[in-house]
Amino acid sequence: GAGVSQSPSNKVTEKGKDVELRCDPISGHTALYWYRQSLGQGLEFLIYFQGNSAPDKSGLPSDRFSAERTGGSVSTLTIQRTQQEDSAVYLCASSFGGREQFFGPGTRLTVL
Amino acid sequence: SQQGEEDPQALSIQEGENATMNCSYKTSINNLQWYRQNSGRGLVHLILIRSNEREKHSGRLRVTLDTSKKSSSLLITASRAADTASYFCATSIGANSKLTFGKGITLSVRP
Repeated sequence: GAGVSQSPSNKVTEKGKDVELRCDPISGHTALYWYRQSLGQGLEFLIYFQGNSAPDKSGLPSDRFSAERTGGSVSTLTIQRTQQEDSAVYLCASSFGGREQFFGPGTRLTVL
Repeated sequence: SQQGEEDPQALSIQEGENATMNCSYKTSINNLQWYRQNSGRGLVHLILIRSNEREKHSGRLRVTLDTSKKSSSLLITASRAADTASYFCATSIGANSKLTFGKGITLSVRP
């Protein structure tokens, strides 16, 4: 596809369960970002991948959050033992060469 | 803490009028970007202005950047009802170009 895609578009889970969110960046984009958007905190940076370099995890809110990027393309964000405060829209973006970031449609996560 | 702060928080105008939205930030930046968001989902990139640029145009959009005042403005000329959305400024700092967003401006354009 031409744009960034994310799946699922919506996820409802029970407190304490693990969830995996997927991001397919634009082909050829070397940088991939995860952000979170919630009512209380606005848009927050979570993690950044660039090529084969070690990811910048400085935005991850707790050790329950982790992400990986396989083969320099698809990325998965995993949240373990979900809490109600994890409810948010999780947005993925990709870019090339430090230019503008293109965002996917997001995954709306609801933790009951 | 927020790097970018938009002003005003909400703006309501009549179709055909111009809309001006402002953004202030705190630290030196690589570039500043404006995004639009409809219905709380995906962000659409509007325009990027680099720290060594002062003004850029894209269609009905005009963006200015004043690095001495650490501020930027987005002007939408001849607004349309379809411009109704939330608008965010985002600053890019450092080598990884991660974006720090403001809280956004809600623009309503009345037909």
